[in-house]
Amino acid sequence: NAGVTQTPKFRVLKTGQSMTLLCAQDMNHEYMYWYRQDPGMGLRLIHYSVGEGTTAKGEVPDGYNVSRLKKQNFLLGLESAAPSQTSVYFCASSYWGDTQYFGPGTRLTVL
Amino acid sequence: DAKTTQPTSMDCAEGRAANLPCNHSTISGNEYVYWYRQIHSQGPQYIIHGLKNNETNEMASLIITEDRKSSTLILPHATLRDTAVYYCIVRFPSTSGTYKYIFGTGTRLKVLA
Repeated sequence: NAGVTQTPKFRVLKTGQSMTLLCAQDMNHEYMYWYRQDPGMGLRLIHYSVGEGTTAKGEVPDGYNVSRLKKQNFLLGLESAAPSQTSVYFCASSYWGDTQYFGPGTRLTVL
Repeated sequence: DAKTTQPTSMDCAEGRAANLPCNHSTISGNEYVYWYRQIHSQGPQYIIHGLKNNETNEMASLIITEDRKSSTLILPHATLRDTAVYYCIVRFPSTSGTYKYIFGTGTRLKVLA
């Protein structure tokens, strides 16, 4: 099992550009999450999904959209990137909202 | 929402036990304590969790006080590879039917040769 994988690993954007981060899990987990981590801080929840076709807002959802069209994939979109969205993004999944397993992260820089 | 308080940093000699404390004085009866660690900038790695009983697995032991207001993560024989940031998290139920974690800033553990 690959567990939780994230694509891409690194990305540099210019202000106003858009992009999509892909998270995939092969553990048949129902729940998936997107977090961001800024320097010296813990992780903050952006959006999450409790099942295919569902999404919900987390702690810091503004400027992001998500979609869960397939159970194994959770996409995080930035429609118009801003420098404040420079961060490391982590995806996680859990079976029924219990123990979360994290991906390796995507390092995003917005210039 | 229950929050946690941890020391900012700790050192531990290689081969010795590392004891990482955590305060969660506002924890509720059905909220679990989870521990994760993050090595460099990798994704957080699950270590252990518990509700009120002490727990042990191949990585660590978790000691929770009887009043559940604090806990200690024990790495029995720390190695250099255990150098990481350790997060103590209280998992609580949210209104949408799932559970949420609130991450603090964690404890930076440095294992010294």
